[in-house]
Amino acid sequence: GAVVSQHPSWVICKSGTSVKIECRSLDFQATTMFWYRQFPKQSLMLMATSNEGSKATYEQGVEKDKFLINHASLTLSTLTVTSAHPEDSSFYICSAGLAGVRFFGPGTRLTVL
Amino acid sequence: GENVEQHPSTLSVQEGDSAVIKCTYSDSASNYFPWYKQELGKRPQLIIDIRSNVGEKKDQRIAVTLNKTAKHFSLHITETQPEDSAVYFCAAIVNTNAGKSTFGDGTTLTVKP
Repeated sequence: GAVVSQHPSWVICKSGTSVKIECRSLDFQATTMFWYRQFPKQSLMLMATSNEGSKATYEQGVEKDKFLINHASLTLSTLTVTSAHPEDSSFYICSAGLAGVRFFGPGTRLTVL
Repeated sequence: GENVEQHPSTLSVQEGDSAVIKCTYSDSASNYFPWYKQELGKRPQLIIDIRSNVGEKKDQRIAVTLNKTAKHFSLHITETQPEDSAVYFCAAIVNTNAGKSTFGDGTTLTVKP
């Protein structure tokens, strides 16, 4: 099936720093990508829809100034967690669709100390 | 927006028995219903999906049924094995690459040997 990659797979940072997570569609072009956050033992919660060449659409309750999304090309979307705090520690997963089927990246485990 | 409810939240079965997980959705525009299996710390993996023009789909030990009128769909796993133990998520999606997906809260399946 289609491959979606993420980088890094895990990151540990100090409180107050910013962290960038990359999501790439490796063998197909994705005009739309989705960013999810998953806390332990919980479901995937959609944070935002990333649109190539335009602004991302954020879900209610997600701060757009804190979670910056840039979808600069048809194969790359980035999520930047700005001024990260311990409560931002979570598993962040991106997803892209091909022919209506959703494929997930491997996820990025963010730990903010 | 779409609301997906999934039951049960936990399910424990004996190896060889069948397991059934049920989901209901609210938005009649949803017409694609995938099921994902997620192992601890890993990405969700698509295991089976069904589209609204089909009532049932089977792939070896896994089957999914859909009742569009009642807005519910179910995952059936027969002859369960210990390696089936994982968290299973259902989702409801408007079948486009850009349509938002809404996930159920997940079912933790434990298959006892």
